[in-house]
Amino acid sequence: EDQVTQSPEALRLQEGESSSLNCSYTVSGLRGLFWYRQDPGKGPEFLFTLYSAGEEKEKERLKATLTKKESFLHITAPKPEDSATYLCAVQAGGDYKLSFGAGTTVTVRA
Amino acid sequence: NAGVTQTPKFQVLKTGQSMTLQCAQDMNHNSMYWYRQDPGMGLRLIYYSASEGTTDKGEVPNGYNVSRLNKREFSLRLESAAPSQTSVYFCASSEQNKSGYTFGSGTRLTVV
Repeated sequence: EDQVTQSPEALRLQEGESSSLNCSYTVSGLRGLFWYRQDPGKGPEFLFTLYSAGEEKEKERLKATLTKKESFLHITAPKPEDSATYLCAVQAGGDYKLSFGAGTTVTVRA
Repeated sequence: NAGVTQTPKFQVLKTGQSMTLQCAQDMNHNSMYWYRQDPGMGLRLIYYSASEGTTDKGEVPNGYNVSRLNKREFSLRLESAAPSQTSVYFCASSEQNKSGYTFGSGTRLTVV
């Protein structure tokens, strides 16, 4: 069974204080690892897909990286508008279902 | 705007009542999904439909049924609601072989 574990559960940052979120996974046959952002009261919004170890993707202040066992979401010089819950999910095997981690809630104070 | 539309947004049910959550997408996606989200547990897959005419159980299907009405619509039915089904329900769709799901804005369901 696919397992996805995210840490920490919550992260409080000062504006401009860079940090990283971790997503560790145990799957058989990784097809892709996905990062989503979720704002309170809304559905998750797609950020990135990573397909193979060593791959990196960037979007504004966010950068996602992937190894064979984990992925990191780096937030560089965060702003209050980066406050959200960040979800990690894996797609494995022969189908297209996603298995999600519990998320990391990031709060950025001005 | 293109996307996934869920109705209703909020619902309160009494134990034992039934209801259907509606979901429609206008992106011509083949696959559709129903997830529930509970605090500390993340998103858990209830049922999914890989393509029109097919449905399969996910991780937590007990107490639910689904219908893939056509390519656009995928409904979730609670036949006899229980307090344990209090949750936020999300519908999503995707195009097979391509990355990312598109999620709806969710239905917040409370069973009392």
